[in-house]
Amino acid sequence: ILNVEQSPQSLHVQEGDSTNFTCSFPSSNFYALHWYRWETAKSPEALFVMTLNGDEKKKGRISATLNTKEGYSYLYIKGSQPEDSATYLCAFIVPGTASKLTFGTGTRLQVTL
Amino acid sequence: DAGVIQSPRHEVTEMGQEVTLRCKPISGHNSLFWYRQTMMRGLELLIYFNNNVPIDDSGMPEDRFSAKMPNASFSTLKIQPSEPRDSAVYFCASSDSATGEQFFGPGTRLTVL
Repeated sequence: ILNVEQSPQSLHVQEGDSTNFTCSFPSSNFYALHWYRWETAKSPEALFVMTLNGDEKKKGRISATLNTKEGYSYLYIKGSQPEDSATYLCAFIVPGTASKLTFGTGTRLQVTL
Repeated sequence: DAGVIQSPRHEVTEMGQEVTLRCKPISGHNSLFWYRQTMMRGLELLIYFNNNVPIDDSGMPEDRFSAKMPNASFSTLKIQPSEPRDSAVYFCASSDSATGEQFFGPGTRLTVL
């Protein structure tokens, strides 16, 4: 059983705050790690697909880093806005499958004014 | 492209009835995934197809669930007979082999009374 763990489970920040959360995954047989953003009543949307150790990806105010040797990825949001409120999921490609994802339980972010 | 299309968006049925959920993946994508979202277990993979062939159905809860992909542009998930514990949101997603990024449909909210 592959464990993908995310922390914290939930987070409440003020508008303008910067924040980050963690995804931990098995470091052996790494293939790829995905980050998804999931707004309430909508469907998950892909943010990043990360494959190389040391990868750093950025999309606007959101960025992510990857450490495959120690099995973790960080997601950063700079200057949080209310529209960033969502659940952020990471997902690990199951070794040997190339496409099957195991999802973490997510970090629920709420940004208030 | 219209993205992944799912129908119906909402389904309310009575226990014992057959339910069929439908999915049209993004054109050109060669992998298709069926997920179920519940409060208890989060987002769990039920089954996935590569090039219309079922690859892994280990997430299908029991024999009451079946899925087919008769061609590259259509898949169904059938529950027969349905039970109240099947109530959940069912998502379909598709991806291509280049990035592995999965694109999710809007989901079908199933309620079994």
